[in-house]
Amino acid sequence: QVQLVQSGADVKKPGASVRVSCKASGYSFTAYYIHWVRQAPGQGLEWMGRINPNSGDMKYAQKFQGRVTMTRDTSINTVYMQLSRLNSDDTAAYYCARDRGSLAASIFDYWGQGTLVTVSS
Amino acid sequence: QTVVTQEPSLTVSPGGTVTLTCASSTGAVTSGYSPNWFQQKPGQAPRALIYDTNNKHSWTPARFSGSLLGGKAALTLSGVRPEDEAEYYCLLYYGGARYVFGSGTKVTVL
Repeated sequence: QVQLVQSGADVKKPGASVRVSCKASGYSFTAYYIHWVRQAPGQGLEWMGRINPNSGDMKYAQKFQGRVTMTRDTSINTVYMQLSRLNSDDTAAYYCARDRGSLAASIFDYWGQGTLVTVSS
Repeated sequence: QTVVTQEPSLTVSPGGTVTLTCASSTGAVTSGYSPNWFQQKPGQAPRALIYDTNNKHSWTPARFSGSLLGGKAALTLSGVRPEDEAEYYCLLYYGGARYVFGSGTKVTVL
């Protein structure tokens, strides 16, 4: 069965960086995009960007350009999301989600369980 | 900046029908925006319900359906059950690897 398993909760100080991992299993890792979505406490969902695990090509939301980096390690079927220069507004649950769509359509299906990142001095 | 707007909250009686909509600040929503719909309950990750306007995942209950309605994407819940009480989000794809989530609709079953 398809699973996306994320790393555990993390606490960071303002100005630091955080890296969240998302390990995929149950399907061909390089076949589908992985997106990152975050949700601040009591707020809605926010798309951060996506990575093509096959080519490594990344596309980021304009809001996060220059602060986010998405990478993948095909040897262990894992995608990473690193966010730098953290501030209190980055306190949120971060989710990875699989997209089995194409350049012309999106088909989000499986989601990770979420990783809570808390930014506090 | 593109904004995707949903009704903040809707209330429906058990067994009733409710329709949620998803509007884009850029104009009419078409199938080209590949609308997806998600359900999220408190403390849980989102769960995918509908993709590409009106296609259901294998786990999506038959009472959920997607469509286009009056220039918006729509999600209809028919024969609502108490367990359908949740937050619902739409997602629109604007091409060029640009995706925007809707503001979310809180559905209360009362």
